[in-house]
Amino acid sequence: GEDVEQSLFLSVREGDSSVINCTYTDSSSTYLYWYKQEPGAGLQLLTYIFSNMDMKQDQRLTVLLNKKDKHLSLRIADTQTGDSAIYFCASRRASKIIFGSGTRLSIRP
Amino acid sequence: DGGITQSPKYLFRKEGQNVTLSCEQNLNHDAMYWYRQDPGQGLRLIYYSQIVNDFQKGDIAEGYSVSREKKESFPLTVTSAQKNPTAFYLCASTGGYSNQPQHFGDGTRLSIL
Repeated sequence: GEDVEQSLFLSVREGDSSVINCTYTDSSSTYLYWYKQEPGAGLQLLTYIFSNMDMKQDQRLTVLLNKKDKHLSLRIADTQTGDSAIYFCASRRASKIIFGSGTRLSIRP
Repeated sequence: DGGITQSPKYLFRKEGQNVTLSCEQNLNHDAMYWYRQDPGQGLRLIYYSQIVNDFQKGDIAEGYSVSREKKESFPLTVTSAQKNPTAFYLCASTGGYSNQPQHFGDGTRLSIL
């Protein structure tokens, strides 16, 4: 069946760039999303990309999509302590949205 | 402001008791969803509803029930048949267009007394 996979943890130094990776299996995915979850809170939509795009940039966030390899990445430039959270990748086909298990991003000084 | 409101934020259940989690949205969204999140895990779909008076089971519906009598409301009941209900429950909604992402509430944390 459809699946979305992410690595569980990422640790980066404050001020460096963070790159969170995601792979998905459904080649019919139309939209791919990145969500951020802070402790004890719901998921906040960060950005999304349509499947016919290669890249989308929004301030410190850059999303890269390699549709051939079904690989999605989220780059956060100049990572700050406020970026510490769990980041979820999700793919959508019609009304169905599949979430990855989330990547916990921790920031070290 | 438009959004999704979940209540209560914390809920405790006794053995053999049913409890109901509330989810209300004022985004005029047609579709609503319930997810369960366990520590260190992703989201698992419990139930979803694409239109009033209709809903479908997700991947882990056993021990749960829902209703959708109004567009803005999608309550989830955790029944006594759900033997491991301790988790973080998230409600989401989405509009009708195919590019619409899901909007989430702030969640309800359910624990066993």
